[in-house]
Amino acid sequence: EVQLVESGGGLIQPGGSLRLSCAVSGLTFSDYWMHWVRQAPGKGLVWVSRIRGDGRETNYADSVKGRFTISRDNAKHTLYLQMDSLEADDTAVYYCAGVLGARFDPWGQGTLVTVSS
Amino acid sequence: QSALTQPASVSGSPGQSITISCTGTSSDVGAYNYVSWYQQHPGKAPKLIIYDVYKRPSGLSNRFSGSKSGNTASLTISGLQAEDEADYYCTSYTGSITYVFGTGTKVTVL
Repeated sequence: EVQLVESGGGLIQPGGSLRLSCAVSGLTFSDYWMHWVRQAPGKGLVWVSRIRGDGRETNYADSVKGRFTISRDNAKHTLYLQMDSLEADDTAVYYCAGVLGARFDPWGQGTLVTVSS
Repeated sequence: QSALTQPASVSGSPGQSITISCTGTSSDVGAYNYVSWYQQHPGKAPKLIIYDVYKRPSGLSNRFSGSKSGNTASLTISGLQAEDEADYYCTSYTGSITYVFGTGTKVTVL
C-alpha cells in the first residue's frame, strides 16, 4: 500500500521556523519528483515547491523563494520542507505529493501549519 | 503566476452531466498537454481524476472525462451522483518550471 505521511506542523510565531517531513512507503521513492502543495483555511490549492528524484534540482513558488528549502533523503524515503521567516500568510495545510510525468499522485493527508502570535 | 480561472460553483441533478472549465494562458494550459484534475472532499486530501488533459487513472470511473481547447481545459462529469459532490481543482505545468492550480469549483448535487 502506498502511503505518504506528513508531520511537523503546529503553531509557530511569525518569523519562526518549522521543518515538515513526509515519510513515503509503497513506491520507488527515487523515481518520483516530490512536491509540496498548500491550502490555506477555506481556500484553494497552491503549489509550493518540488525536488527531482535525485535531489539535484529544486524549484519554488515566488511566494516562498528564499524562505523555504525543499530536500529529500532517498535512503530514508523522506521528503522535507524547511520553512524559515514564517508569515501569517503561510498558515495552511501542507500536503506532500509524488509526481510522475505531470500527475500529482499519490498525496499525503496533510499537516496544518498555523503562524500566529 | 496567477491561478487558473475556474467557476466558483457548478450544480446539477443526479444523472445529469456538468462541465467545469479551467482557463489559463498561452504559457500554461495553452502551451502544454499537462493539465490534470483533482477531486477533494471536505477535510480530505485531493485525489487525481484526470491527467495529461484526458487520461484517467486506472480504476477510475469513466463518468469523468477531460478535454482542452486553446487556453481552456474542461472536466465533464456525466451521470452525476451524490458522491461527486466535492471541490474540483485543475492544474497545469507552466513555462517557468512550476505548476499552477485553478481557483477551485464547488460541485453541488441538487
